[in-house]
Amino acid sequence: GESVGLHLPTLSVQEGDNSIINCAYSNSASDYFIWYKQESGKGPQFIIDIRSNMDKRQGQRVTVLLNKTVKHLSLQIAATQPGDSAVYFCAETGAGSYQLTFGKGTKLSVIP
Amino acid sequence: EAQVTQNPRYLITVTGKKLTVTCSQNMNHEYMSWYRQDPGLGLRQIYYSMNVEVTDKGDVPEGYKVSRKEKRNFPLILESPSPNQTSLYFCASSFDSNQPQHFGDGTRLSIL
Repeated sequence: GESVGLHLPTLSVQEGDNSIINCAYSNSASDYFIWYKQESGKGPQFIIDIRSNMDKRQGQRVTVLLNKTVKHLSLQIAATQPGDSAVYFCAETGAGSYQLTFGKGTKLSVIP
Repeated sequence: EAQVTQNPRYLITVTGKKLTVTCSQNMNHEYMSWYRQDPGLGLRQIYYSMNVEVTDKGDVPEGYKVSRKEKRNFPLILESPSPNQTSLYFCASSFDSNQPQHFGDGTRLSIL
């Protein structure tokens, strides 16, 4: 598969444990945030998003937390499974902006 | 099936030989975008298009051209490719810039 995970921060978790992946952003005008998952050889896949008028949003086994005060975003994955192994990217955009800015990514490895 | 289709998936070519990477989406999305992905740098936006005949530069537009003559297609053109354009390229689309983007599976370009 395509090698996109070189030199990335890596998080290793035991299967069944919860995972927390963090992302810091710098643009205080950003008001829309997205988490993507990228498996080897594939394009990024949408996981969950959150807008700046919220501080928490839950999906199936995933939760995104937004702390606008410190410009921090996190993705929590409950009961992590081997299929969750991938590179995870946060992305942000601001009101009136047509550009999406991605973080560098975190590689999640799930230990069976 | 809703999808973003890129062609070719892999290409090895030589410096200066013009090439085009095609991108097509079947979701009637207005917004389309091109990214390049390099190890340690994450995804960087090259160009984007808000609608037919409306395009604008992203963060790394140098050496690339795009066109948006039809809603479904957004080709990426390298008029005179150079080795520093060797990368993994992704096309993406969404209803607008503040909605989750759907990504293609990527095009691996090697410029010798």
